[in-house]
Amino acid sequence: EAQVTQNPRYLITVTGKKLTVTCSQNMNHEYMSWYRQDPGLGLRQIYYSMNVEVTDKGDVPEGYKVSRKEKRNFPLILESPSPNQTSLYFCASSRHQEGSGRGDGYTFGSGTRLTVV
Amino acid sequence: AQKITQTQPGMFVQEKEAVTLDCTYDTSDQSYGLFWYKQPSSGEMIFLIYQGSYDEQNATEGRYSLNFQKARKSANLVISASQLGDSAMYFCAMREGRDTGRRALTFGSGTRLQVQP
Repeated sequence: EAQVTQNPRYLITVTGKKLTVTCSQNMNHEYMSWYRQDPGLGLRQIYYSMNVEVTDKGDVPEGYKVSRKEKRNFPLILESPSPNQTSLYFCASSRHQEGSGRGDGYTFGSGTRLTVV
Repeated sequence: AQKITQTQPGMFVQEKEAVTLDCTYDTSDQSYGLFWYKQPSSGEMIFLIYQGSYDEQNATEGRYSLNFQKARKSANLVISASQLGDSAMYFCAMREGRDTGRRALTFGSGTRLQVQP
């Protein structure tokens, strides 16, 4: 089954303790991205990657790092989490090309609910 | 300025009736794509429907249709014959043509739909 897998689904951590949220896709997609969802704000892009070793900042990159050493994996790293990073996080992937032009090229993971206390 | 505006924080609809969720967008690009996603209480993001800016016909996917009014910059989602399982948060999103590298989706703040029996 084609999917984007995020782990963990839920995480409670303390301020300053480094953590990594993993994201893996099995569709051979070139493009991957991380979003955070906050009430009243919808989803906002944190970082994205157009291919292996190619990453760039989205709208809200402060406090986050990413890496893309393999095509299938795109982990999100919080070096020193703070309470304002408490949020619901989504990883998404898509083909680099639109293909048929339909918009269903984006596949989202199930989300990671992070609480930083 | 908000790029995606969803003015209805919450909506109620009776089972089996149709409902329209509003979405207006703001872009100066000629090429763009509009998306609707459903987020049930379990949290995952489910793709519903896509409309390209050059598509001449309104998109339809089963019980979902998109009422695309380009001149008014609106892309309302119409759900026909509502079902209890349609109760969820609904997000409108846009990808702008000039952003083809970043491929970011800009999301609205969402509309919570509750279907009543």
